Amino acid sequence: QITLKESGPTLVKPTQTLTLTCTFSGFSLTSTAVGVGWIRQPPGMPLEWLALIFWNDDKRYSPSLKSRLTITKDTSKNQVVLTMTSMGPVDTATYYCSHYDYGGNSGFDFWGQGTLVTVSS
Amino acid sequence: SYDLTQPPSVSVSPGQTASITCSGDKLGEKYAYWYQQKPGQSPVVVIYKDIKRPSGIPERFSGSNSGNTATLTISGTQAMDEADYYCQAWDRSTGVVFGGGTRLTVL
Repeated sequence: QITLKESGPTLVKPTQTLTLTCTFSGFSLTSTAVGVGWIRQPPGMPLEWLALIFWNDDKRYSPSLKSRLTITKDTSKNQVVLTMTSMGPVDTATYYCSHYDYGGNSGFDFWGQGTLVTVSS
Repeated sequence: SYDLTQPPSVSVSPGQTASITCSGDKLGEKYAYWYQQKPGQSPVVVIYKDIKRPSGIPERFSGSNSGNTATLTISGTQAMDEADYYCQAWDRSTGVVFGGGTRLTVL
């Protein structure tokens, strides 16, 4: 059974760096054709993809946010970490991590519950 | 960058068929995915690889993808199907792309 859970601060100040951790179970990021992605959703707005890391450490970023994002993995801890610099009020959103089935092309087939991050002074 | 366009809203009467479209350049040459999101919940994939249904997704959900348009079809729509639906594709240069979402209202 695959589960994912996001953790991190619920409130960050403008200009600060956000660090979010996705802790997962039920799969390994050493397994071929597996990935973990981050997706966010501002209140009342659509989903926005942020970043994706694969089993082979290949990393992809949203072109519009690439300069602000870093995604890393710790396979020993079954964790994926996302950092986003220069946070502003427009970055207030629910941040989700998700299992990405690259090999089976099943898409984002398992999602965490999401964590709401508010950017405010 | 690659963009996917969805209608903001679709309405359907209970028991009728709802169709939600997703348009993108040569989308038919990529796999399309559809996610259902109900208020306060995480998205759930309802269609993957254009036409495949994950286990546990009712048979009334189906998909197609050809040319520049992917379509999610819900046959015999039920009140429980009222939700936001997002299409998604992978573009070689852009990466993961989500559509803007469609709110399905069952009235």
